[in-house]
Amino acid sequence: QQQVKQSPQSLIVQKGGISIINCAYENTAFDYFPWYQQFPGKGPALLIAIRPDVSEKKEGRFTISFNKSAKQFSLHIMDSQPGDSATYFCAASTGDDKIIFGKGTRLHILP
Amino acid sequence: DAGVIQSPRHEVTEMGQEVTLRCKPISGHNSLFWYRQTMMRGLELLIYFNNNVPIDDSGMPEDRFSAKMPNASFSTLKIQPSEPRDSAVYFCASSLEGSNQPQHFGDGTRLSIL
Repeated sequence: QQQVKQSPQSLIVQKGGISIINCAYENTAFDYFPWYQQFPGKGPALLIAIRPDVSEKKEGRFTISFNKSAKQFSLHIMDSQPGDSATYFCAASTGDDKIIFGKGTRLHILP
Repeated sequence: DAGVIQSPRHEVTEMGQEVTLRCKPISGHNSLFWYRQTMMRGLELLIYFNNNVPIDDSGMPEDRFSAKMPNASFSTLKIQPSEPRDSAVYFCASSLEGSNQPQHFGDGTRLSIL
């Protein structure tokens, strides 16, 4: 019940396309859903986050869509660029310090 | 601003040896986390501290692993004795105290146990 399930494991998208990564959870006590981006040789870094009281949050080309009833949320990267190639982690938290991470999606944007 | 600093960046050692990984969190951050990342298991939380006190060590794989935080600016993760299955990238992260604070990660230590 503490898991966050993420798909796909890997994704290849043409430059300019839309990248979509999906996550699902079971624990209804989760109330904070961040996404982290990790480049090779670096640690993950917070990209964007959402709370369950909103259905969508947009920051530049990155959008989180949240479906509370389905217990699902997704990251959309519009106009994907080669510089977006990285590993993306969805995550969830119950509001304490601890964050539960998904297994990650390796995204490759073709030039 | 200096981020989370981890050392060493790479460590290669033989099975059975003691390994010590070090972390300096961001100044002013009250919470510190140790993670392990592998292809198979993803990013796993090993232990976290709040105000230098261990809060949750349920992710520590076994007694061979231990972590300390003697003061607000330093933490260690020790493996003794090390085994090949401990090979992974170990990350330290820190955050401000409070709910839903972003975690700031170091660049990790890539550990290889031969």
